[in-house]
Amino acid sequence: QIQLVQSGPELKKPGESLKISCKASGYTFTDYAMQWVKQAPGKGLQYMGWINTQTGKPTYADDFKERFVFSLETSASTAYLQINNLKNEDTATYFCSPGRYWFAYWGQGTLVTVSS
Amino acid sequence: DIQMTQSPASLSASLGETVTIQCQASEDIYSGLAWYQQKPGKSPQLLIYGASSLQDGVPSRFSGSGSGTQYSLKISSMQTEDEGVYFCQQGLKYPLTFGSGTKLEIK
Repeated sequence: QIQLVQSGPELKKPGESLKISCKASGYTFTDYAMQWVKQAPGKGLQYMGWINTQTGKPTYADDFKERFVFSLETSASTAYLQINNLKNEDTATYFCSPGRYWFAYWGQGTLVTVSS
Repeated sequence: DIQMTQSPASLSASLGETVTIQCQASEDIYSGLAWYQQKPGKSPQLLIYGASSLQDGVPSRFSGSGSGTQYSLKISSMQTEDEGVYFCQQGLKYPLTFGSGTKLEIK
């Protein structure tokens, strides 16, 4: 069965960087793009963008073009989300999900807390 | 970007009651719509895709309908396990966009 296992919670200070992992199993990793979604505490779902798992080309939604980097380690069926120069407003749970139009499978989410 | 307007923001329903949640797109999305349920501390779960197709394993009391810019999710007989937050999402154009959510509680 398809599974997405994300790395654990992070507590960071403003200005620091972090890298979240999303390890996929149960399907051929390169068959589906990997998408990322942000959910701030008590808020809705915000689409961040996607990465083409065949070419490695990322596409970012407008709000995520500056400090966010999607990457892959295809041999390990793992996608990464790096956030640079963390800000308080980056405090959220981040989800990965393979697919193109909708999100049938989700990682368990990675809680990122940014606080001085 | 396509804006998704979801209503109501919250509602409460009695056990066995029929519940309907609405979602309006800012332009025609040609049935490119999905519905999700999210429970506290959990990842969202896909319920409906393509406006009316039921995801595998989802109870048949859930159904989706609509076309053009207007879509709805219906729960035909509210159960306790249906409490949660429901989101719509358009899958027609990038960036994909979500509705703001509907919190559903038992009355």
